[in-house]
Amino acid sequence: NAGVTQTPKFQVLKTGQSMTLQCAQDMNHEYMSWYRQDPGMGLRLIHYSVGAGITDQGEVPNGYNVSRSTTEDFPLRLLSAAPSQTSVYFCASSYSPRGGYEQYFGPGTRLTVT
Amino acid sequence: EDQVTQSPEALRLQEGESSSLNCSYTVSGLRGLFWYRQDPGKGPEFLFTLYSAGEEKEKERLKATLTKKESFLHITAPKPEDSATYLCAVRGANNLFFGTGTRLTVIP
Repeated sequence: NAGVTQTPKFQVLKTGQSMTLQCAQDMNHEYMSWYRQDPGMGLRLIHYSVGAGITDQGEVPNGYNVSRSTTEDFPLRLLSAAPSQTSVYFCASSYSPRGGYEQYFGPGTRLTVT
Repeated sequence: EDQVTQSPEALRLQEGESSSLNCSYTVSGLRGLFWYRQDPGKGPEFLFTLYSAGEEKEKERLKATLTKKESFLHITAPKPEDSATYLCAVRGANNLFFGTGTRLTVIP
């Protein structure tokens, strides 16, 4: 199993550009989520999905869109990039959103917006 | 309000010098407390899940414990390869909340 994969690993955008961060998992997990990690702050939840066709907002959703058309894929779209979106983005998945199921993280995408 | 606080922010140990990392939390209806290890430039790697006060789990030189207000990650006789940032997270009735981590450096 590849686990959780993310592409690209690095990306530089200009302010106002849009892009999609890709995330895929091969563990047949129901629950997938996107986090951003900034220096001095804990991982913060952007959006999550409890199954194909179902998504919801997390703690910091503004400026981001998601969709979940399949169990495996959960892309994150930046609509109009801003310097405040410079961060490291992690995708994660787990068996279920309920109870104490641990999440498995991808390797991350380091995004710089100039 | 659900909250997770980790201390210290950074810890330097000599190889073989045991110590503990702290994770204090407030959450409504704890459904699980998680410890992760994160190496530079990589995603967090799952270590342990604890569900109820009094529970303990061990893996090699690491042992995690849980009370009603905090969790400890004990590191016994650490080695340089244990150097990493250790993250604590709690799941309550809502989503998962992460602490800011403790950056551990083990000096040979």
